[in-house]
Amino acid sequence: QKEVEQDPGPLSVPEGAIVSLNCTYSNSAFQYFMWYRQYSRKGPELLMYTYSSGNKEDGRFTAQVDKSSKYISLFIRDSQPSDSATYLCASARTSSAGNMLTFGGGTRLMVKP
Amino acid sequence: DTAVSQTPKYLVTQMGNDKSIKCEQNLGHDTMYWYKQDSKKFLKIMFSYNNKELIINETVPNRFSPKSPDKAHLNLHINSLELGDSAVYFCASSQQGGSGEAFFGQGTRLTVV
Repeated sequence: QKEVEQDPGPLSVPEGAIVSLNCTYSNSAFQYFMWYRQYSRKGPELLMYTYSSGNKEDGRFTAQVDKSSKYISLFIRDSQPSDSATYLCASARTSSAGNMLTFGGGTRLMVKP
Repeated sequence: DTAVSQTPKYLVTQMGNDKSIKCEQNLGHDTMYWYKQDSKKFLKIMFSYNNKELIINETVPNRFSPKSPDKAHLNLHINSLELGDSAVYFCASSQQGGSGEAFFGQGTRLTVV
């Protein structure tokens, strides 16, 4: 079993829809949670991070973490065609040599005009 | 001004060769990483390194070795390349003691023929 699980999709929605992306994790040692967006043939780009249960909002994006159920979500409001990408959730545990991220497999999102 | 830069962007080489990928970050971070993304887009940590410690993912063959000439650079050297090494390799950096947010380079697409 992977430590971070994510539905691979693809998820296809019409422009303007609310998108919900989800991950589950199994390692209680994870302290920080992130969402990355990756366009084709590009590097992952950090979208949101949080370290506590609850919601964090940034523009059209809301990240939600429920540590009791080990569930991570990303909501995108008023989705745009430019949001079409692969979304990767990641969890981090600290070490003396940095905070190593464990990624989910990514969900491919397509927003159709 | 690119924050995390890798060279080369593409690398095609024959089995058995030795090759290096270079990474530089200008974010002032003290920790750098190498990640491998396979053909199914699964992103996995290979190494985590700062001036205190190197942590190696136990699944990484010892043909792979990170080399850090200074805090802003972490190169990846690969000996005796195999077909299965074909993947996209990403360098990343973060600040130790922070919330674990890592910033990624654009990736090096390695093809072993």
